[in-house]
Amino acid sequence: GEDVEQSLFLSVREGDSSVINCTYTDSSSTYLYWYKQEPGAGLQLLTYIFSNMDMKQDQRLTVLLNKKDKHLSLRIADTQTGDSAIYFCADVNQAGTALIFGKGTTLSVSS
Amino acid sequence: DTAVSQTPKYLVTQMGNDKSIKCEQNLGHDTMYWYKQDSKKFLKIMFSYNNKELIINETVPNRFSPKSPDKAHLNLHINSLELGDSAVYFCASSQDLAGSHNEQFFGPGTRLTVL
Repeated sequence: GEDVEQSLFLSVREGDSSVINCTYTDSSSTYLYWYKQEPGAGLQLLTYIFSNMDMKQDQRLTVLLNKKDKHLSLRIADTQTGDSAIYFCADVNQAGTALIFGKGTTLSVSS
Repeated sequence: DTAVSQTPKYLVTQMGNDKSIKCEQNLGHDTMYWYKQDSKKFLKIMFSYNNKELIINETVPNRFSPKSPDKAHLNLHINSLELGDSAVYFCASSQDLAGSHNEQFFGPGTRLTVL
């Protein structure tokens, strides 16, 4: 079945770069997403990438997509303590009716 | 102005009770969703509702039923609550179904605790 996998934890120091990785199984994916969840809050769309792109940059965020390996990554440059949150990778299910989320990567940023 | 709102924010109840969680979106979206987030933060789709078409995740027990009185509301009714239903339930909405690129806007969540 469709699946999205992520590592569960990442710990970095303030000012360093963070890289969160994700793999997915559905080769027909057209869009892939990164959502951010701060403590006690709902999810917010952080960024997304269309499947015909290899890279997308948005200020401190860089998304890399390797479609051959079905690998997606999110790089946060100059990570700040305010970036501490859970980051979810998401793919659209084959029926196109909902998002399938990875288990979320908890990013912890220490000063 | 809150885009997607849910009530209540917290719900504590006894096993066997029936409860409802309400969701409203003021974005004019056509599609609404319910997701369940368990204690490990794993997030899974329960229902998608688009133009009166309900798409159910087959793993959801039939004790759960979404009800949409109009396009802006999708409420979640849960019958005969069980301990395993304890979780955070998120409502979300998008302009169209997930297949075409649509940002999903999430509500703040309802933390359900079943005792």
